[in-house]
This record gives sequence, C-alpha cells and structure tokens, in this order.
Amino acid sequence: QVQLQESGPGLVKPSQTLSLTCTVSGGSISSNAYYWGWLRRHPVKGLEWIGYIYYRGSAFYNPSLQSRVALSVDTSMNQFSLKLTSVTAADSGVYYCARLLAATALNPDSWGRGTLVTVSS
Amino acid sequence: EIVLTQSPATLSLSPGERATLSCRASQSVSTFLAWYQLKPGQAPRLLIYDASNRAPGIPARFSGGGSGTDFTLTISSLEPEDFAVYYCQQRSNWRTFGQGTKVEIK
Repeated sequence: QVQLQESGPGLVKPSQTLSLTCTVSGGSISSNAYYWGWLRRHPVKGLEWIGYIYYRGSAFYNPSLQSRVALSVDTSMNQFSLKLTSVTAADSGVYYCARLLAATALNPDSWGRGTLVTVSS
Repeated sequence: EIVLTQSPATLSLSPGERATLSCRASQSVSTFLAWYQLKPGQAPRLLIYDASNRAPGIPARFSGGGSGTDFTLTISSLEPEDFAVYYCQQRSNWRTFGQGTKVEIK
C-alpha cells in the first residue's frame, strides 16, 4: 500500500521560500497511472489546490499561485517537491501531498498526513 | 474563478437518518464535481468523483448527483463514523473547493 510523507520546515519567515518534499513509499512515482499533487488547508479559507505534476515533469498550477510556485519530481529518490516563494502569513496552513489517480479523474486516492507550516518572523 | 457554495453550513442529524448536502457552482461545471470527507487530524477522503461515481472502497450509502450548477451528496443512513465535514470540489476550471458542510450528531 502506498504511503506518502511530507517533510520540511514548520516555520518559514515572511518573504522567504517554503520548501516541502513528499516521499513516496510502497509504490513507484514513475507510474503512468498517477499524478502527484500538493494541497493546503487554511484555518479560515479552507482547502486549496496548489498544483500537480506528472513524473516526467509536466506540471499544472493554481492560477492564483502560479507566479510563486514550482513543483518538481526526483524519480531516483521517489520524491516530489514544492517550492513557494515570497510567502506571507496567508500561506500558513496544513500542507498535504497526494497521489492523484487517473482513473478517478485525477482526484487524490492517497494522502500524506499533512504538515503544518507557519509563516512568521 | 468558479465559486462553490455549500449548504447548509451545519447539519444536525441522528445516526440512521438520511443526510442531504448541497453544492452550488457559480457557473456550470458539467459533471466535473467531487465530494470529500474530512475528519479532525486526518487527510481528506475522496467519496465521489465526476458527480456520481463512488470512489473505490466507498460504501454504497454514499451517493452523488447533479450536473451543471447544482449537486447533492446523499448519505442514506448515517453511521457514527460519518459525522465529519464534507467538501465539494470542481475541476472544470482549475480546481476549487466549497467551504464545507459539517454533519454533526444531534
């Protein structure tokens, strides 16, 4: 059974870059049946998609975040990563990585536990 | 951006009762709508995709319907583990979520 685990700093200063990595175990990130995505949950704004990526590198981003976000995949490490630049307090929240199944219209079928990121000086 | 409005904000019901949740889109999303369940401390769980398709492993008491701008999630008979927050999400124009409906024990 596939497992996903987010890792990265829990505290980021305003204007800096938030970097998170998702490690996939129990399955290959190089499967053509899946995409790999990032979402976040803000206590007030609720759930928000950040973006998703195919193992060959094609990525799709939330238009409202597109200028600040970049996703990447490292197939040798079975990981994918998120970078969000110029963060503000509005970027605080729980960040989830997820596996998106093509057979269910690229909706997530497996998730990480989520990692809390706080943007504060 | 497509805005999804969920109603009611809170639904107070007893186990065994039927729950009907609504999701309205600000413009047509065809049938590109999904429903998720979220419990405290857990990751969201996909229940329904493309309006009416149950995700693998989801019990038959969960059903979805609708098209265009109006959608419903029905739980035919509430089990204790069904008390949670439910979100709809569209994928017609990028992907956005509604604000959620909390199903609580009456």
